Amino acid sequence: EAQVTQNPRYLITVTGKKLTVTCSQNMNHEYMSWYRQDPGLGLRQIYYSMNVEVTDKGDVPEGYKVSRKEKRNFPLILESPSPNQTSLYFCASRTGTYEINYEQYFGPGTRLTVT
Amino acid sequence: AQSVTQLDSHVSVSEGTPVLLRCNYSSSYSPSLFWYVQHPNKGLQLLLKYTSAATLVKGINGFEAEFKKSETSFHLTKPSAHMSDAAEYFCVVSDGGTYKYIFGTGTRLKVLA
Repeated sequence: EAQVTQNPRYLITVTGKKLTVTCSQNMNHEYMSWYRQDPGLGLRQIYYSMNVEVTDKGDVPEGYKVSRKEKRNFPLILESPSPNQTSLYFCASRTGTYEINYEQYFGPGTRLTVT
Repeated sequence: AQSVTQLDSHVSVSEGTPVLLRCNYSSSYSPSLFWYVQHPNKGLQLLLKYTSAATLVKGINGFEAEFKKSETSFHLTKPSAHMSDAAEYFCVVSDGGTYKYIFGTGTRLKVLA
């Protein structure tokens, strides 16, 4: 089954404790992206990757890191989480590098709480 | 720079009546536009997309949207609402300038019995 998977689905952590949220897709998609969803703000793009070893900042990259060493994986790293990073996070992927016509496929979401 | 404005944060309709969810966009390039739906505690599902072909786009579950360049709008409509349409709807724009995706802030649709 074609899908985007995220782990963990739920995470409660404390301020400053480094964490990684994994994202994997099995559709051989070039483009992958991370979003956070907050009430009243919709989804905001954190980082995106056009292909392996190519990443770029979205609209809210502060406090986050990403890497794209393999085509299928795009982990999101919070080196020192803070309470304002409490949010619902979605990973997404789509085919093509520069082809904006293609829709994104979303993972199920990771609900992160930082206390 | 690209941007999206969803003009209503909440819309309530009675079951069987038409649905109109409004979206205006701004883009410096020829945009692609999408509508996604998110049911409570669920992920996002694509309803339909505009990619510079036909300006009237049909999607799943009876939804459609019309791209109007002169009005920079991409409103979502459905002739007859169903209880299962109750969800949050997001309008999304992307263009070839940045390859980013910009989401609107969402419209929560409530369907009254």
